[in-house]
Amino acid sequence: KAGVTQTPRYLIKTRGQQVTLSCSPISGHRSVSWYQQTPGQGLQFLFEYFSETQRNKGNFPGRFSGRQFSNSRSEMNVSTLELGDSALYLCASSAELSNYGYTFGSGTRLTVV
Amino acid sequence: KNEVEQSPQNLTAQEGEFITINCSYSVGISALHWLQQHPGGGIVSLFMLSSGKKKHGRLIATINIQEKHSSLHITASHPRDSAVYICGGQGAQKLVFGQGTRLTINP
Repeated sequence: KAGVTQTPRYLIKTRGQQVTLSCSPISGHRSVSWYQQTPGQGLQFLFEYFSETQRNKGNFPGRFSGRQFSNSRSEMNVSTLELGDSALYLCASSAELSNYGYTFGSGTRLTVV
Repeated sequence: KNEVEQSPQNLTAQEGEFITINCSYSVGISALHWLQQHPGGGIVSLFMLSSGKKKHGRLIATINIQEKHSSLHITASHPRDSAVYICGGQGAQKLVFGQGTRLTINP
């Protein structure tokens, strides 16, 4: 059974640009959550989607948004990139909402220059 | 004060030692996750628990709801256990993580 797939693995963008990251969950999983990991702040929760609806949201500015499609695949978008957005972005999928175990993808490492 | 606090931040031990990593959390946390992250970034979800104790191989996770405290234990530690261990508290609307414990097991 395929794991959680994130694309791209690495990305370099310039300040002010926008970026879209993709996450394909494990087949049958309907919950997808997104996380940002930086050396300074550690792992932080961005948001969680379930059946195409955002169910939970962390404390991030509106520049960070996401969506989930009917096939459970999810995208995360960051607009007007800032240097501080450089991070490892991870997604995880789960069969149901948050109270079940997660399977993480390998992450997308975003560098903003 | 952070909602989830881990200790210690760094831990170095010899192969075979019994390891304990602690996690304290604030009110409003209904479940606790333990994650393992190896160099290179890959994260593995080890446990999710809201009460009692769970065991998987040499790993044991416990949670005390009254004291708002969870521990991750590793028995017969091995160099391949070297990783960062992160606990995460599941609140009503979000997941909050500790800063992680960097564990190094020397042969």
